Amino acid sequence: AQSVAQPEDQVNVAEGNPLTVKCTYSVSGNPYLFWYVQYPNRGLQFLLKYITGDNLVKGSYGFEAEFNKSQTSFHLKKPSALVSDSALYFCAVRDGGYNKLIFGAGTRLAVHP
Amino acid sequence: SAVISQKPSRDICQRGTSLTIQCQVDSQVTMMFWYRQQPGQSLTLIATANQGSEATYESGFVIDKFPISRPNLTFSTLTVSNMSPEDSSIYLCSVERGFDNEQFFGPGTRLTVL
Repeated sequence: AQSVAQPEDQVNVAEGNPLTVKCTYSVSGNPYLFWYVQYPNRGLQFLLKYITGDNLVKGSYGFEAEFNKSQTSFHLKKPSALVSDSALYFCAVRDGGYNKLIFGAGTRLAVHP
Repeated sequence: SAVISQKPSRDICQRGTSLTIQCQVDSQVTMMFWYRQQPGQSLTLIATANQGSEATYESGFVIDKFPISRPNLTFSTLTVSNMSPEDSSIYLCSVERGFDNEQFFGPGTRLTVL
Protein backbone atom coordinates (compact mmCIF):
# COMPACT_ATOMS: atom_id res chain seq x y z
CA ALA A 1 0.00 0.00 0.00
CA GLN A 2 1.15 3.52 -0.67
CA SER A 3 1.65 6.05 2.11
CA VAL A 4 3.15 9.45 2.80
CA ALA A 5 4.64 10.78 6.01
CA GLN A 6 5.26 14.38 6.95
CA PRO A 7 7.02 14.06 10.28
CA GLU A 8 6.71 17.69 11.34
CA ASP A 9 3.37 19.26 12.25
CA GLN A 10 4.93 22.71 12.10
CA VAL A 11 8.13 24.29 10.86
CA ASN A 12 9.24 27.71 12.07
CA VAL A 13 11.72 29.73 10.03
CA ALA A 14 12.98 33.28 10.13
CA GLU A 15 12.45 35.33 7.01
CA GLY A 16 15.46 35.13 4.72
CA ASN A 17 16.62 31.79 6.06
CA PRO A 18 16.44 28.56 4.08
CA LEU A 19 13.51 26.28 4.75
CA THR A 20 12.94 22.55 4.46
CA VAL A 21 9.66 20.70 4.81
CA LYS A 22 10.16 16.96 5.04
CA CYS A 23 8.31 14.17 3.27
CA THR A 24 8.91 10.44 3.02
CA TYR A 25 6.87 7.99 1.04
CA SER A 26 6.20 4.32 0.47
CA VAL A 27 4.97 2.81 -2.80
CA SER A 28 5.33 -0.55 -4.46
CA GLY A 29 5.98 0.82 -7.94
CA ASN A 30 7.39 4.04 -9.36
CA PRO A 31 6.44 7.05 -7.26
CA TYR A 32 4.75 10.10 -8.67
CA LEU A 33 5.40 12.79 -6.05
CA PHE A 34 3.74 16.15 -5.58
CA TRP A 35 3.78 19.16 -3.29
CA TYR A 36 0.73 21.35 -2.77
CA VAL A 37 0.23 24.50 -0.70
CA GLN A 38 -2.95 25.62 1.00
CA TYR A 39 -3.38 29.21 2.11
CA PRO A 40 -6.08 30.06 4.67
CA ASN A 41 -9.59 29.71 3.26
CA ARG A 42 -8.23 28.66 -0.10
CA GLY A 43 -8.08 25.46 -2.09
CA LEU A 44 -4.89 23.55 -2.80
CA GLN A 45 -2.38 24.99 -5.19
CA PHE A 46 0.04 22.80 -7.10
CA LEU A 47 3.70 23.62 -6.38
CA LEU A 48 5.79 20.99 -8.12
CA LYS A 49 6.06 17.33 -9.04
CA TYR A 50 8.54 14.55 -9.62
CA ILE A 51 7.70 11.88 -12.17
CA THR A 52 11.04 10.95 -13.68
CA GLY A 53 14.33 12.54 -14.69
CA ASP A 54 16.42 15.01 -12.70
CA ASN A 55 16.15 14.42 -8.98
CA LEU A 56 15.97 18.14 -8.26
CA VAL A 57 12.73 19.66 -9.45
CA LYS A 58 11.88 23.33 -9.42
CA GLY A 59 8.39 24.65 -8.93
CA SER A 60 6.35 27.74 -8.28
CA TYR A 61 7.29 30.63 -5.97
CA GLY A 62 10.97 29.65 -5.83
CA PHE A 63 10.35 26.27 -4.24
CA GLU A 64 12.25 23.14 -5.18
CA ALA A 65 12.27 19.54 -4.03
CA GLU A 66 14.80 16.76 -4.16
CA PHE A 67 13.83 13.19 -4.91
CA ASN A 68 15.98 10.71 -3.03
CA LYS A 69 15.16 7.15 -3.99
CA SER A 70 17.43 5.45 -1.45
CA GLN A 71 15.91 7.42 1.41
CA THR A 72 12.41 7.42 -0.14
CA SER A 73 12.20 11.13 0.52
CA PHE A 74 10.96 14.18 -1.34
CA HIS A 75 11.76 17.17 0.85
CA LEU A 76 10.54 20.63 -0.13
CA LYS A 77 13.09 23.43 0.04
CA LYS A 78 13.48 27.12 -0.56
CA PRO A 79 16.77 29.04 -0.24
CA SER A 80 15.26 32.16 1.32
CA ALA A 81 11.89 32.10 3.08
CA LEU A 82 9.31 34.87 2.83
CA VAL A 83 6.62 35.72 5.35
CA SER A 84 4.12 35.16 2.55
CA ASP A 85 5.25 31.52 2.34
CA SER A 86 3.44 30.87 5.63
CA ALA A 87 0.81 28.26 4.79
CA LEU A 88 -0.06 24.58 5.05
CA TYR A 89 2.02 22.30 2.84
CA PHE A 90 0.96 18.85 1.69
CA CYS A 91 3.11 16.16 0.16
CA ALA A 92 1.29 13.58 -1.98
CA VAL A 93 2.21 10.37 -3.77
CA ARG A 94 0.69 8.24 -6.46
CA ASP A 95 1.84 4.74 -7.23
CA GLY A 96 2.80 4.91 -10.88
CA GLY A 97 -0.17 4.87 -13.21
CA TYR A 98 -2.75 4.29 -10.51
CA ASN A 99 -4.79 7.43 -10.16
CA LYS A 100 -5.41 7.59 -6.44
CA LEU A 101 -3.42 10.39 -4.82
CA ILE A 102 -2.46 9.87 -1.18
CA PHE A 103 -1.78 12.94 0.94
CA GLY A 104 0.44 13.41 3.93
CA ALA A 105 -0.93 14.95 7.10
CA GLY A 106 0.38 18.37 6.18
CA THR A 107 3.03 20.65 7.67
CA ARG A 108 2.27 24.17 8.76
CA LEU A 109 5.06 26.54 7.78
CA ALA A 110 5.39 29.71 9.81
CA VAL A 111 7.88 32.29 8.57
CA HIS A 112 8.61 35.03 11.09
CA PRO A 113 9.79 38.53 10.19
CA SER B 1 -3.58 24.10 -15.27
CA ALA B 2 -7.34 24.00 -14.87
CA VAL B 3 -9.88 26.55 -13.75
CA ILE B 4 -12.26 24.91 -11.31
CA SER B 5 -15.13 26.56 -9.52
CA GLN B 6 -17.28 25.25 -6.71
CA LYS B 7 -20.64 26.33 -5.41
CA PRO B 8 -21.40 27.16 -2.71
CA SER B 9 -18.12 28.40 -1.29
CA ARG B 10 -19.47 27.86 2.20
CA ASP B 11 -22.69 26.97 3.95
CA ILE B 12 -24.10 26.44 7.40
CA CYS B 13 -26.68 23.68 7.53
CA GLN B 14 -28.95 22.06 10.04
CA ARG B 15 -28.58 18.48 11.19
CA GLY B 16 -30.58 16.03 9.07
CA THR B 17 -30.65 18.13 5.92
CA SER B 18 -28.73 17.59 2.69
CA LEU B 19 -26.46 19.85 0.68
CA THR B 20 -25.43 19.52 -2.95
CA ILE B 21 -22.05 20.91 -3.95
CA GLN B 22 -21.38 21.75 -7.58
CA CYS B 23 -18.04 21.58 -9.37
CA GLN B 24 -17.49 23.16 -12.77
CA VAL B 25 -14.31 22.82 -14.86
CA ASP B 26 -13.24 25.10 -17.68
CA SER B 27 -12.70 22.26 -20.15
CA GLN B 28 -13.51 18.59 -20.59
CA VAL B 29 -11.87 16.09 -18.26
CA THR B 30 -12.23 12.36 -17.97
CA MET B 31 -11.89 11.94 -14.24
CA MET B 32 -13.11 14.13 -11.42
CA PHE B 33 -12.42 13.50 -7.76
CA TRP B 34 -14.12 14.51 -4.53
CA TYR B 35 -12.12 14.95 -1.33
CA ARG B 36 -12.97 15.75 2.26
CA GLN B 37 -10.72 17.76 4.54
CA GLN B 38 -11.91 17.60 8.12
CA PRO B 39 -10.84 20.40 10.47
CA GLY B 40 -7.10 20.29 11.03
CA GLN B 41 -6.78 17.15 8.93
CA SER B 42 -5.35 16.12 5.60
CA LEU B 43 -7.34 15.34 2.47
CA THR B 44 -9.22 12.08 2.15
CA LEU B 45 -10.54 10.84 -1.18
CA ILE B 46 -14.28 10.23 -1.10
CA ALA B 47 -14.85 8.99 -4.63
CA THR B 48 -13.79 9.13 -8.25
CA ALA B 49 -16.38 10.19 -10.80
CA ASN B 50 -16.16 9.27 -14.46
CA GLN B 51 -18.69 10.56 -16.94
CA GLY B 52 -21.27 7.98 -17.89
CA SER B 53 -20.57 5.51 -15.11
CA GLU B 54 -21.19 5.06 -11.42
CA ALA B 55 -18.77 6.78 -9.10
CA THR B 56 -16.16 4.64 -7.37
CA TYR B 57 -16.18 5.12 -3.62
CA GLU B 58 -13.28 4.71 -1.24
CA SER B 59 -13.43 2.61 1.87
CA GLY B 60 -15.56 4.28 4.50
CA PHE B 61 -17.70 6.25 2.06
CA VAL B 62 -21.02 5.05 0.62
CA ILE B 63 -23.27 6.22 -2.16
CA ASP B 64 -26.30 6.68 0.10
CA LYS B 65 -24.43 9.21 2.19
CA PHE B 66 -22.46 10.89 -0.62
CA PRO B 67 -24.33 10.50 -3.91
CA ILE B 68 -22.40 11.86 -6.88
CA SER B 69 -23.54 12.89 -10.32
CA ARG B 70 -21.38 13.33 -13.41
CA PRO B 71 -23.72 14.35 -16.22
CA ASN B 72 -21.02 15.59 -18.59
CA LEU B 73 -17.27 16.08 -18.96
CA THR B 74 -17.14 19.49 -17.27
CA PHE B 75 -19.48 19.15 -14.31
CA SER B 76 -20.08 17.07 -11.21
CA THR B 77 -22.07 17.30 -8.00
CA LEU B 78 -21.53 15.81 -4.57
CA THR B 79 -24.44 15.61 -2.14
CA VAL B 80 -23.85 15.28 1.57
CA SER B 81 -26.99 13.57 2.83
CA ASN B 82 -28.65 13.51 6.24
CA MET B 83 -25.92 15.68 7.64
CA SER B 84 -24.54 15.55 11.16
CA PRO B 85 -21.96 17.80 12.85
CA GLU B 86 -19.30 15.19 11.99
CA ASP B 87 -19.79 16.10 8.32
CA SER B 88 -18.44 19.60 8.97
CA SER B 89 -15.47 19.77 6.62
CA ILE B 90 -14.08 21.37 3.53
CA TYR B 91 -15.13 19.45 0.43
CA LEU B 92 -12.90 19.80 -2.61
CA CYS B 93 -13.25 18.62 -6.15
CA SER B 94 -10.25 18.02 -8.35
CA VAL B 95 -9.48 17.03 -11.91
CA GLU B 96 -6.58 15.47 -13.72
CA ARG B 97 -4.91 17.34 -16.50
CA GLY B 98 -1.74 17.08 -18.52
CA PHE B 99 0.67 14.44 -19.66
CA ASP B 100 1.51 13.37 -16.12
CA ASN B 101 -2.07 13.54 -14.91
CA GLU B 102 -1.47 16.31 -12.42
CA GLN B 103 -4.38 16.98 -10.13
CA PHE B 104 -5.76 20.47 -9.81
CA PHE B 105 -8.15 21.45 -7.06
CA GLY B 106 -11.14 23.67 -6.77
CA PRO B 107 -11.33 26.33 -4.04
CA GLY B 108 -13.37 24.07 -1.77
CA THR B 109 -16.73 24.27 -0.05
CA ARG B 110 -16.60 24.89 3.67
CA LEU B 111 -19.53 23.13 5.31
CA THR B 112 -20.61 23.63 8.90
CA VAL B 113 -23.37 21.44 10.30
CA LEU B 114 -25.13 22.59 13.46
